[in-house]
Amino acid sequence: DIQMTQSPSSLSASVGDRVTITCRASQGISNHLAWFQQKPGKAPKSLISAAFTLQSGVPSKFSGSGSGTDFTLTISSLQPEDFATYYCQQYNSFPPTFGGGTKVEI
Amino acid sequence: QVQLQESGPGLVKPSETLSLTCSVSGGSTSPYYWSWIRQTPGMGLEWIGNVYYSGRTKYNPSLRSRITISVDTSKNQFSLQMSSVTAADTAVYYCARESGYCGDGSCPIDYWGQGTLVTVSS
Repeated sequence: DIQMTQSPSSLSASVGDRVTITCRASQGISNHLAWFQQKPGKAPKSLISAAFTLQSGVPSKFSGSGSGTDFTLTISSLQPEDFATYYCQQYNSFPPTFGGGTKVEI
Repeated sequence: QVQLQESGPGLVKPSETLSLTCSVSGGSTSPYYWSWIRQTPGMGLEWIGNVYYSGRTKYNPSLRSRITISVDTSKNQFSLQMSSVTAADTAVYYCARESGYCGDGSCPIDYWGQGTLVTVSS
């Protein structure tokens, strides 16, 4: 299985900060990468697919980049509602696998 | 707006079969893939398997021997059965829709159910 490694595992930030989360795949996955946001006690919410394509309704403050093995999720200006845990997932190779998550805290 | 809702017992005894159903509203089961994912504090998020609206399935090799996923297009539902459960199968189970530009693994998820906690205990 492809291992997905996210860094950092947690970070502290302030409202208005620009935040970048990294996801690294153990082997190349082209651009078959998705990002999700999860708040405590809630289901994940889909943010991005194909490494950089925003899901419908997702604000443009979220952006994704990367290809191959290294990917990033950037939140341009952190707002109170953005404090959550973020996960990446590869769907290039079978079975699909998820990263361990990055918790964004105040 | 597509909505998914999981239903099924919240408590299952060890060695028995876990059965969950996901009801889809606001859209049709075709022509999509429908998946089950579970989450535990220790293992994180784990993709269990999916079913295409035609009935074709893919299962995670780590669980393949114990799971069956099926779809009922007439009811706009799909289901998960997991046999011989143990405490390690205690998790929040999510159903989800996969849609879009697919890889060999699966397709990206666009909609998730709210999740249901299943506890395996006697």
